[in-house]
Amino acid sequence: QVQLQQWGAGLLKPSETLSLTCAVYGGSFTGNYWTWIRQSAGKGLEWIGEVNHRGDTNTNPSLKSRVAISVDTSKNQFSLKVTSVTAADTAVYYCARGRGGLVPGGPRWFDPWGQGTLVTVSS
Amino acid sequence: EIVLTQSPGTLSLSPGETATLSCRASQSVSGSYLAWYQQKPGQAPRHLIYGVSSRASGIPDRFSGSGSGADFTLTISRLEPEDFAVYYCQHYGGSPYSFGQGTKLEIK
Repeated sequence: QVQLQQWGAGLLKPSETLSLTCAVYGGSFTGNYWTWIRQSAGKGLEWIGEVNHRGDTNTNPSLKSRVAISVDTSKNQFSLKVTSVTAADTAVYYCARGRGGLVPGGPRWFDPWGQGTLVTVSS
Repeated sequence: EIVLTQSPGTLSLSPGETATLSCRASQSVSGSYLAWYQQKPGQAPRHLIYGVSSRASGIPDRFSGSGSGADFTLTISRLEPEDFAVYYCQHYGGSPYSFGQGTKLEIK
């Protein structure tokens, strides 16, 4: 059974870089897309982007210029960086496994999810 | 990008009753690419349904999904105390993937 455990800094100042990592335990790391999703009071659930084991990424155009998603297959981990954060980036960030196939940007639902990390951006 | 609108915002019911939650898309959803999730306070969303009506592993048959085109429904029969939560629909036909704003199912 696949389990995801995530970690990273929870309090940032404006203009800093958000950095989160998610470790995958159990199941196949190579046969899936690995995803970041955030949840805020203002925007609800928002898909950020995804990466496969080869490092191929697909990112929400609304965040693309500030987001980098990477993978470390030796550790079964993937990571998220968001640069130049503002208060609007305050949210609970989740990692998740994308299900539904390996077509980049193709059909994808999310199961399971990590436990979530609250990231607050405040001066 | 397809916009999903869920209704009602809040649904108040008693255990044992049947809940009917609606998810309407801004345009027709092709390929039955509609999923549902349950979220309890302080927890991550839990996947319930994919492909409009297929239950995820371990999900009780009290949960059923239906619909086509742009109108979809999650029905929860014989409500149990643990079913009271927030429910989200998701369109997953292609990125960027979108979610509805959620329906809160509360105990009456």
